[in-house]
Amino acid sequence: AQKVTQAQTEISVVEKEDVTLDCVYETRDTTYYLFWYKQPPSGELVFLIRRNSFDEQNEISGRYSWNFQKSTSSFNFTITASQVVDSAVYFCALSDYDKVIFGPGTSLSVIP
Amino acid sequence: SAVISQKPSRDICQRGTSLTIQCQVDSQVTMMFWYRQQPGQSLTLIATANQGSEATYESGFVIDKFPISRPNLTFSTLTVSNMSPEDSSIYLCSAIDRDRGGETQYFGPGTRLLVL
Repeated sequence: AQKVTQAQTEISVVEKEDVTLDCVYETRDTTYYLFWYKQPPSGELVFLIRRNSFDEQNEISGRYSWNFQKSTSSFNFTITASQVVDSAVYFCALSDYDKVIFGPGTSLSVIP
Repeated sequence: SAVISQKPSRDICQRGTSLTIQCQVDSQVTMMFWYRQQPGQSLTLIATANQGSEATYESGFVIDKFPISRPNLTFSTLTVSNMSPEDSSIYLCSAIDRDRGGETQYFGPGTRLLVL
């Protein structure tokens, strides 16, 4: 069965600190996708990144970076120099081409 | 990326009534999905809306309570039937958009439902 675990329920950081959100997944499939979504207080789900299971390259996009390690089934998300606008709930998700399973989410508060 | 709209954006309903939520995608998509997000919780998949066939429901969700229509490749509706306060949630429509790199699931803005 597929499962996504985000062990951190809530994180608070002071503005400009770096923060890493953890994601651990379980799947029997050899081919799958991993995602990160952001849900700000307004409620809409914003797609951040997709990673194919065959592509273990880490990715950086501005202040965001993602570390995919298949050996540990982890897909962690780091925000560098956090800003107040980063305050949101972040969901890690797993897809096997059929449906997407979401983790429980991590609520990030960035304090000015 | 697919752009998804939902109507209504929010509603307040009385117990025992039904509400139909509409979802429109700006491009043809094969797979559309309906999720529920209860307050403070993650997203739970209700069903996959298949064009030309019945929806596929996840465990704990039944067609009588959440009938779904999918008349074409850009549109779907979800009805929340015989509502109770426990149905108060955000209901989100999503669709899979495929490109060269693979597939990504995009979401509509959600419908916030409060049942009194």
